[in-house]
Amino acid sequence: NAGVTQTPKFQVLKTGQSMTLQCAQDMNHNSMYWYRQDPGMGLRLIYYSASEGTTDKGEVPNGYNVSRLNKREFSLRLESAAPSQTSVYFCASSGRSHSGNTIYFGEGSWLTVV
Amino acid sequence: GNSVTQMEGPVTLSEEAFLTINCTYTATGYPSLFWYVQYPGEGLQLLLKATKADDKGSNKGFEATYRKETTSFHLEKGSVQVSDSAVYFCALILAGSARQLTFGSGTQLTVLP
Repeated sequence: NAGVTQTPKFQVLKTGQSMTLQCAQDMNHNSMYWYRQDPGMGLRLIYYSASEGTTDKGEVPNGYNVSRLNKREFSLRLESAAPSQTSVYFCASSGRSHSGNTIYFGEGSWLTVV
Repeated sequence: GNSVTQMEGPVTLSEEAFLTINCTYTATGYPSLFWYVQYPGEGLQLLLKATKADDKGSNKGFEATYRKETTSFHLEKGSVQVSDSAVYFCALILAGSARQLTFGSGTQLTVLP
């Protein structure tokens, strides 16, 4: 009963370092998303993937890359971390069930760039 | 485009008070509507949802009714507890397009004993 699993939960990076946030879902959902959450700004969409093999930019894609490795996995990469990327990152997935579309979130990844 | 507008916070209530957090939306189509809750230091959890007009979602004493005529999905609880202190997000999703996933800005609720 895992749902959406993202790792790591906490990470501290130095400016210029790179890292990848991993996300996997076991609900056979087609759509997956990466959001960032900053105080007073709600959730902002970074990238999304409507299906395996496709990715599209969201509201704030600059400084990030994504890979939809397969239907289960959707990773977010920071090639050269900047302090402005200090945030909480959430992976999510959505798919249609008998009760309609439902969105499920991972537990979040707290990233600090110093 | 699609949008979700939430009542601005923060909201501070005494225990056992009645809670309403307003949420209205605009959407090009027939969305499914959600309330998510985020407790301090945790991720977002689905609180309740409604998928069509006049549906009522309910969970843990919270309720929200999908009102198509007023494009609203207000969250209510008759008697809040200290443990309800959290940030609440209203959201919508449109079927058929991964792009159509929209959140409100969140409402911070603090319940005092």
